[in-house]
Amino acid sequence: AQSVTQLDSQVPVFEEAPVELRCNYSSSVSVYLFWYVQYPNQGLQLLLKYLSGSTLVESINGFEAEFNKSQTSFHLRKPSVHISDTAEYFCAVIASGGSYIPTFGRGTSLIVHP
Amino acid sequence: DTGVSQDPRHKITKRGQNVTFRCDPISEHNRLYWYRQTLGQGPEFLTYFQNEAQLEKSRLLSDRFSAERPKGSFSTLEIQRTEQGDSAMYLCASSGGTPAEAFFGQGTRLTVV
Repeated sequence: AQSVTQLDSQVPVFEEAPVELRCNYSSSVSVYLFWYVQYPNQGLQLLLKYLSGSTLVESINGFEAEFNKSQTSFHLRKPSVHISDTAEYFCAVIASGGSYIPTFGRGTSLIVHP
Repeated sequence: DTGVSQDPRHKITKRGQNVTFRCDPISEHNRLYWYRQTLGQGPEFLTYFQNEAQLEKSRLLSDRFSAERPKGSFSTLEIQRTEQGDSAMYLCASSGGTPAEAFFGQGTRLTVV
């Protein structure tokens, strides 16, 4: 079975600073990877995804993530954060060849200070 | 396409009562998932449907929980004899293929008092 580890439960950062949210996965088969964002009392919104092709994927609001198969990682980065990026971020994995059910990490709370 | 909708958004119930939640997925999506999320945790898988067939259930889904998806359209999740430990956000999601991202509804927040 696949699993996702988000080691950092909270990441505080100042506005306009760069940030990296870490995500590592475990799976015996090939995977598909996702980052979701959740604002208070809301559902999850897809931020970006890796299904195939280029290992570097980008979102429309400046986030990017790189699939690193050798390190089994899919870290999320942004070169300059805004106050509005304050939210919970969840990494998710789907393992190929099975039920294709997304498995989520525990989440990382990004807190952007002015 | 109005996205995934869930009803109600909030539910407060007394311990021992039964509750039912509804989820309307994106219309062309054949896969529908239910997750539970507690404070400070990620979504935990409960069950999923492909069309009207319930294909997988988590160990988290005790026999007090039942889910249906008649005719492969909307889905309901019922919790019988609610307990305080059932207090959580219940999230519904749908997807249109494999592999594909899941689209989530706003969730139903259940509080058992």
